[in-house]
Amino acid sequence: QVQVVESGGGVVQPGRSLRLSCAASGFTFSSYGMHWVRQAPGKGLEWVAVIYYGGRNKYYADSVKGRFTISRDNSKNTVFLQMNSLRAEDTAVYYCARDYDGNWVPDYWGQGTLVTVSS
Amino acid sequence: DIVMTQTPLSSPVTLGQPASISCRSSQSLVHSDGNTYLSWLQQRPGQPPRLLIYKISNRFSGVPDRFSGSGAGTDFTLKISRVEAEDVGIYYCMQATQFPWTFGQGTKVEIK
Repeated sequence: QVQVVESGGGVVQPGRSLRLSCAASGFTFSSYGMHWVRQAPGKGLEWVAVIYYGGRNKYYADSVKGRFTISRDNSKNTVFLQMNSLRAEDTAVYYCARDYDGNWVPDYWGQGTLVTVSS
Repeated sequence: DIVMTQTPLSSPVTLGQPASISCRSSQSLVHSDGNTYLSWLQQRPGQPPRLLIYKISNRFSGVPDRFSGSGAGTDFTLKISRVEAEDVGIYYCMQATQFPWTFGQGTKVEIK
């Protein structure tokens, strides 16, 4: 069955960096786009970034553009989110999700990993 | 960016009765390829989101047929024909016609 599992969250000071990982299984990883979506405590969902197939096509939310970088390693069935220059407003649960091929929507989601930006 | 506006923000419903959630986009969601990339997701308390409906009206695998989606252009609706206890949660519409993808604020469905 399709599974995605996030890791790498934690507490980090403002201005520092953190890298999240998402390990996927149960499907042909290299054939699917992968998303990061976040949810601040008690708030709604915010789409963060997507990376497609071979890894060249990537798109970002305006709020993270220039600070966050999405990447993937198809040999390890893993997608990453490198987060630099972190701010308090980046505090959220970060979800990894598979793209429903051709339908442009995340279908299978992980349980999320909490990132807290605080001094 | 496309702004997604949901109404109501809260919907108390009696078990077995219908529920309806509206979602309006700030511009048409019809893509140049002819598709409309409007989806609905459910988030039960303490759980990650779950895909219910994609491209306006297509139910995702395993989603009960009491959930249905409709609409066109800028106005969309999610209907639950008979609300069950397991339907409690927050429902989000999401557009993927234009980057950045955007979500509605969420509608909380609760039992009266």
